[in-house]
Amino acid sequence: ILNVEQSPQSLHVQEGDSTNFTCSFPSSNFYALHWYRWETAKSPEALFVMTLNGDEKKKGRISATLNTKEGYSYLYIKGSQPEDSATYLCAFLIYNQGGKLIFGQGTELSVKP
Amino acid sequence: IAGITQAPTSQILAAGRRMTLRCTQDMRHNAMYWYRQDLGLGLRLIHYSNTAGTTGKGEVPDGYSVSRANTDDFPLTLASAVPSQTSVYFCASRGDREDYGYTFGSGTRLTVV
Repeated sequence: ILNVEQSPQSLHVQEGDSTNFTCSFPSSNFYALHWYRWETAKSPEALFVMTLNGDEKKKGRISATLNTKEGYSYLYIKGSQPEDSATYLCAFLIYNQGGKLIFGQGTELSVKP
Repeated sequence: IAGITQAPTSQILAAGRRMTLRCTQDMRHNAMYWYRQDLGLGLRLIHYSNTAGTTGKGEVPDGYSVSRANTDDFPLTLASAVPSQTSVYFCASRGDREDYGYTFGSGTRLTVV
């Protein structure tokens, strides 16, 4: 059974704080790692798809890094805003089984004004 | 239709009844997936289909069946619903480009009583 672990489970920060979360995944048979943002009462939206060791991706104030050799990825949010409040999911892609994503349980971020 | 449409949005179902959750996409994506979301357990894969005419089992397939008669539709059937199938069900699809994430539907909230 493949495990994708995310920490922390939840995070409460003040507006303007910078924050980061961790995603741990199996380091063997790596194909890709996905990050999703999931707002309450909506469906998950893709943020990043990362495939190469050392990858760094950025979208506005959100960025992510990838270390496939040690099996972790970090998601950073610079200067958090209330609209960043959401659950952030990472998912490990099992390509040799048809491209299935195995999701972590997510990090729930709450940003207070 | 833009993206993925799921129906119904929510449903209360008596235990033992048969129910089909509908999922339709208009993006001509080959791969489609059904996930269930449960508190504390995150998103878990039920069944998947890599292309029309093929299906496969995910992490939690028992009690569910799927079919993929064409590219656009991927219905999920509960043959005889049980209370443990109370959950929010998300349908997702993936295009052929490996640097794109999944596209998710808006979910079906199912309560089995």
